[in-house]
Amino acid sequence: SAVISQKPSRDICQRGTSLTIQCQVDSQVTMMFWYRQQPGQSLTLIATANQGSEATYESGFVIDKFPISRPNLTFSTLTVSNMSPEDSSIYLCTVSRGNTEAFFGQGTRLTVV
Amino acid sequence: KNQVEQSPQSLIILEGKNCTLQCNYTVSPFSNLRWYKQDTGRGPVSLTIMTFSENTKSNGRYTATLDADTKQSSLHITASQLSDSASYICVVSAGGNTPLVFGKGTRLSVIA
Repeated sequence: SAVISQKPSRDICQRGTSLTIQCQVDSQVTMMFWYRQQPGQSLTLIATANQGSEATYESGFVIDKFPISRPNLTFSTLTVSNMSPEDSSIYLCTVSRGNTEAFFGQGTRLTVV
Repeated sequence: KNQVEQSPQSLIILEGKNCTLQCNYTVSPFSNLRWYKQDTGRGPVSLTIMTFSENTKSNGRYTATLDADTKQSSLHITASQLSDSASYICVVSAGGNTPLVFGKGTRLSVIA
């Protein structure tokens, strides 16, 4: 198994500010993904964090709003920039190893006021 | 478009009763289907993972079924407990390094 440490677990932020969420894995993993879960909704993929290159963003998500870093195979960050109340969500880091192994961080509950 | 649809959206049952949650998917190619339990504000926890050749898999009081021909799955919970109150999410993988496709989940409330 893989142990994922995601920080912070929750935060309340002022609109217009930015928050960086960290995801640390205890072992090297091939794929790291960032998801968002808005209230009452399913998990929606924001982007795939690629090691050593720019992240791959899904439709509706852009790098200027959600810059992502992945400096190595065990760590990634997601920044939510220039936040508005609509960004209030749970942000989740997931990692994949092989076809059947997927592990989740505990999530970051973000509230923007 | 790869999609996972779940029903019902929400469900309320009495403690001790059984229930069945449904999942239909259009993900292709298909590698495996997973059921997760997600408590409010927490990350999902895996219950079962089934590949194409598996029809049923159990994990304690949870039993998942898979019909790869009709692209349907169900999760049966037996003798429900108050602690079963959570969202149950059906997730399908196309395999390789592709991201998982999540259903919207079924919100289960077990009441005394």
